[in-house]
Amino acid sequence: EAQVTQNPRYLITVTGKKLTVTCSQNMNHEYMSWYRQDPGLGLRQIYYSMNVEVTDKGDVPEGYKVSRKEKRNFPLILESPSPNQTSLYFCASSPRGASVPNTEAFFGQGTRLTVV
Amino acid sequence: GDSVTQMEGPVTLSEEAFLTINCTYTATGYPSLFWYVQYPGEGLQLLLKATKADDKGSNKGFEATYRKETTSFHLEKGSVQVSDSAVYFCAVSGGSYIPTFGRGTSLIVHP
Repeated sequence: EAQVTQNPRYLITVTGKKLTVTCSQNMNHEYMSWYRQDPGLGLRQIYYSMNVEVTDKGDVPEGYKVSRKEKRNFPLILESPSPNQTSLYFCASSPRGASVPNTEAFFGQGTRLTVV
Repeated sequence: GDSVTQMEGPVTLSEEAFLTINCTYTATGYPSLFWYVQYPGEGLQLLLKATKADDKGSNKGFEATYRKETTSFHLEKGSVQVSDSAVYFCAVSGGSYIPTFGRGTSLIVHP
């Protein structure tokens, strides 16, 4: 089954304790992205990646890191989480290229992070 | 860059009422337009899309028409059900990348 898998689904952590949220897709998509969803603010893009070893900042990258060492994986790293990073996070993937323009994005189920 | 403006929610309706959620966009070139739906506790999933002017996307009784002259892509459904309660996101894609999303509109349908 084609899917984007995020882990964990729920996470409660303390301020300053490094954490990683994993994201994996099995559709051979080139493009992957991380969003955070907050009430009243909708979806805001954190980082995106157009291919292996190619990443770029989205609208709200501060406090986050990403890496893209393999095509299928795109982990989100919070080196020193703070309470304002409490949010619902989504990973998404999409094919990219002239042969598949304007295609839909596929989303993971989300990770609800609470930083206390 | 691309941008999307959609109506603020929540939209509260009784079952079998008519639904309209407004969406307007700005984008260069010839973008594709999308509506995504997020049911409680789940990720976003594609509801419908349209890839060129005057196209009508439809799915599960929902419809939206790509209006280039008014840069709009309003979502409609003739008779909503309780199970349609969700958050709806309008999105525009001006290229081959992941779309730009609106802020989302929460729909609450009462029996």
